[in-house]
Amino acid sequence: QKEVEQNSGPLSVPEGAIASLNCTYSDRGSQSFFWYRQYSGKSPELIMFIYSNGDKEDGRFTAQLNKASQYVSLLIRDSQPSDSATYLCAVNARQAGTALIFGKGTTLSVSS
Amino acid sequence: EPEVTQTPSHQVTQMGQEVILRCVPISNHLYFYWYRQILGQKVEFLVSFYNNEISEKSEIFDDQFSVERPDGSNFTLKIRSTKLEDSAMYFCASSDPSGGTEAFFGQGTRLTVV
Repeated sequence: QKEVEQNSGPLSVPEGAIASLNCTYSDRGSQSFFWYRQYSGKSPELIMFIYSNGDKEDGRFTAQLNKASQYVSLLIRDSQPSDSATYLCAVNARQAGTALIFGKGTTLSVSS
Repeated sequence: EPEVTQTPSHQVTQMGQEVILRCVPISNHLYFYWYRQILGQKVEFLVSFYNNEISEKSEIFDDQFSVERPDGSNFTLKIRSTKLEDSAMYFCASSDPSGGTEAFFGQGTRLTVV
């Protein structure tokens, strides 16, 4: 059974702080790793993807991947109240058409 | 910006009735997916579709479900005989394999079975 685990939170940070979200996965065959943001009642919105070990930065977001530890993280710098949402970690085998396996998500709350 | 569009946004149906959920994937994408999310639970994969065939399906996607691409733009999910436990948000997604495996989601259809 392929599993993706996330701490459900809530993770509470003050405005301007760094939010750190973590995810572990069980299937060593996973090759592609994604972070989606989901506002309440809305659909998942892709914010980052990473395929290789190390860091990948995009604006205020940094994704980190460690395949040996089967660990993915997302850092959000200068957190804003508008970042308050549930962040979903998803993985797949990096073959076109394969299923995304989602974690339950971590709820982030940024207070002003 | 291209997006996946789904209709209707909300559908209420009686138990045992058939429903069809519709999606228009991003135009140059080749892989199409259906996912569902029961309230308060995680997003779950149902099925992927490529070149007019199912390429992968989950255990959830049993005989009461079917998918179809009836024309060049629409992608549909049919639930033949709805059950109370089919109540969920259903998301359509599409991906362009030449650009990686990133999947982009539509806004969802909330299905309520009464």
